[in-house]
Amino acid sequence: AQKVTQAQTEISVVEKEDVTLDCVYETRDTTYYLFWYKQPPSGELVFLIRRNSFDEQNEISGRYSWNFQKSTSSFNFTITASQVVDSAVYFCALSGSLQGGSEKLVFGKGTKLTVNP
Amino acid sequence: NAGVMQNPRHLVRRRGQEARLRCSPMKGHSHVYWYRQLPEEGLKFMVYLQKENIIDESGMPKERFSAEFPKEGPSILRIQQVVRGDSAAYFCASSSWTGAKTGELFFGEGSRLTVL
Repeated sequence: AQKVTQAQTEISVVEKEDVTLDCVYETRDTTYYLFWYKQPPSGELVFLIRRNSFDEQNEISGRYSWNFQKSTSSFNFTITASQVVDSAVYFCALSGSLQGGSEKLVFGKGTKLTVNP
Repeated sequence: NAGVMQNPRHLVRRRGQEARLRCSPMKGHSHVYWYRQLPEEGLKFMVYLQKENIIDESGMPKERFSAEFPKEGPSILRIQQVVRGDSAAYFCASSSWTGAKTGELFFGEGSRLTVL
């Protein structure tokens, strides 16, 4: 069965600090997808990234970057020069097979990030 | 250019009442998923439906919960005889046929159920 662990329950930083959110996953599938979502205080889910298990290249998007390491089953997320608007709960997720050939998402419990001015 | 639409956004029910949550998928999407987020928790898969069919309900509680996705109209998640433990945010997601194979889901804004 698939499992996602986000060991950091809450993180608090001061604006402009860099912060890394950890994600460790377990799966027996050889092909899978990893995701990060942001859930701001308003409650909606904002998609940030999807990564294929065959693509271990790190990705950078503005102040966001992701480090995928298959050897350690980790998919960590770094925010550079954090801002108050980054305050949210961040979820890491892993795809898991459903009947009918579709994929469900298995979510970690989330890391609550607070960026203080 | 509407995304996944869920309503109501907030619903308050007393214990023993019924709750009905609706989800209209994105245009062109025929796959619908329901997830539940309990307080301070991540989202947990409940059920996966295609038009007129329940494909996978492995995450759905066996009693009181049901889901449907009729040929016409939105998908409905129905909770009968609600209890306080049903208080949660219920998220609907939809995908295309190809998106379903890669986990490319589009989420609605969620329906927050409070049971008094």
